[in-house]
Amino acid sequence: GENVEQHPSTLSVQEGDSAVIKCTYSDSASNYFPWYKQELGKGPQLIIDIRSNVGEKKDQRIAVTLNKTAKHFSLHITETQPEDSAVYFCAASGGSYIPTFGRGTSLIVHP
Amino acid sequence: DTAVSQTPKYLVTQMGNDKSIKCEQNLGHDTMYWYKQDSKKFLKIMFSYNNKELIINETVPNRFSPKSPDKAHLNLHINSLELGDSAVYFCASSLPRTGKETQYFGPGTRLLVL
Repeated sequence: GENVEQHPSTLSVQEGDSAVIKCTYSDSASNYFPWYKQELGKGPQLIIDIRSNVGEKKDQRIAVTLNKTAKHFSLHITETQPEDSAVYFCAASGGSYIPTFGRGTSLIVHP
Repeated sequence: DTAVSQTPKYLVTQMGNDKSIKCEQNLGHDTMYWYKQDSKKFLKIMFSYNNKELIINETVPNRFSPKSPDKAHLNLHINSLELGDSAVYFCASSLPRTGKETQYFGPGTRLLVL
């Protein structure tokens, strides 16, 4: 089955800095790669996703890149703000539609 | 107009008790899921139902029994609760076969077994 590795587990940055979270996956059949943000006391919510036919996608301050050959994808957050502090999960899914989640990255943005 | 709702939000109970958590979605999705999130934030899928039929059942003790009365509801019943069942349980839904794999999560049920 699919295996998704996510790094780092904790990321601490100063407000205004950029943050990068990286994930690798094992199943070459995976073709959908979402990123979820989980704020304290809430359920995860989709913030951006990318499909295997695209190499990069951007939405304001967040972007996701995908390297299918190397089987890795990354989340980039620019100009971080305190409200970006949360746990971020990457995931990968393919034919089974059941996503495999990474173990999460706790992002802390210091004002 | 909450998309995925769960009740209760908090559940504190004694070991050995039986409890249920309810989940409802009003998104018109045909697939629903239960996840368990432990203290280290790891999201582990427990069950997945498509159109009221079980399509995935990860290695979960048979004390956990999901029930789906219709496409919009997926409840989770837990028998003989143990200390290790303490966690946050999330319900989610999606419409995967139409290209909409995005999972929509409920707010979670925080279960504490004493």
